[in-house]
Amino acid sequence: EAGVTQFPSHSVIEKGQTVTLRCDPISGHDNLYWYRRVMGKEIKFLLHFVKESKQDESGMPNNRFLAERTGGTYSTLKVQPAELEDSGVYFCASSPAKTGTDTQYFGPGTRLTVL
Amino acid sequence: DAKTTQPTSMDCAEGRAANLPCNHSTISGNEYVYWYRQIHSQGPQYIIHGLKNNETNEMASLIITEDRKSSTLILPHATLRDTAVYYCIVRVAIRYSTLTFGKGTMLLVSP
Repeated sequence: EAGVTQFPSHSVIEKGQTVTLRCDPISGHDNLYWYRRVMGKEIKFLLHFVKESKQDESGMPNNRFLAERTGGTYSTLKVQPAELEDSGVYFCASSPAKTGTDTQYFGPGTRLTVL
Repeated sequence: DAKTTQPTSMDCAEGRAANLPCNHSTISGNEYVYWYRQIHSQGPQYIIHGLKNNETNEMASLIITEDRKSSTLILPHATLRDTAVYYCIVRVAIRYSTLTFGKGTMLLVSP
């Protein structure tokens, strides 16, 4: 069974540009989560999809971040325009079940560098 | 979610058991203890979780004290590949709960 995949693995952009990160969850997983770690900080939750619906987006830092999950399969996270403080590693995770104790499986992350 | 306290770092000799402690004195009855680890430049990897009984899987064992205020993750025969940051996370058992990561414990396994 393929794990969670993320693309690209690295992205280097200039301040003010737009970047789109993609996450493909494990097949059949309804729950999809985005997290990120900025330099020197802990891993923080961004948002949670259940199928194509946003269940919880309380961790999204501001309206420069837009997440979508059309069709309830893969998800994209767009940052527009990117700022220096957006640099960090963005992780995606997925889980199968519809209860609160299901295990989340993480992808390898996308390292974003904003210059 | 309840707060957890872990040592900043620990050392372990290869082949020996690694015992990683975690304090979660404010844990509630409906909160699970989860352990994840992050090997350098990889995504967090699930290890094990438990509610109140001790648990064991192919990766590790989880020992939870009777009062549930602390737990220990045991890697029975640590290898160099177990060098990673280990996170102890308390997670409420409700529908749709997220993970709250702390600073974790940096475990260094040496030859």
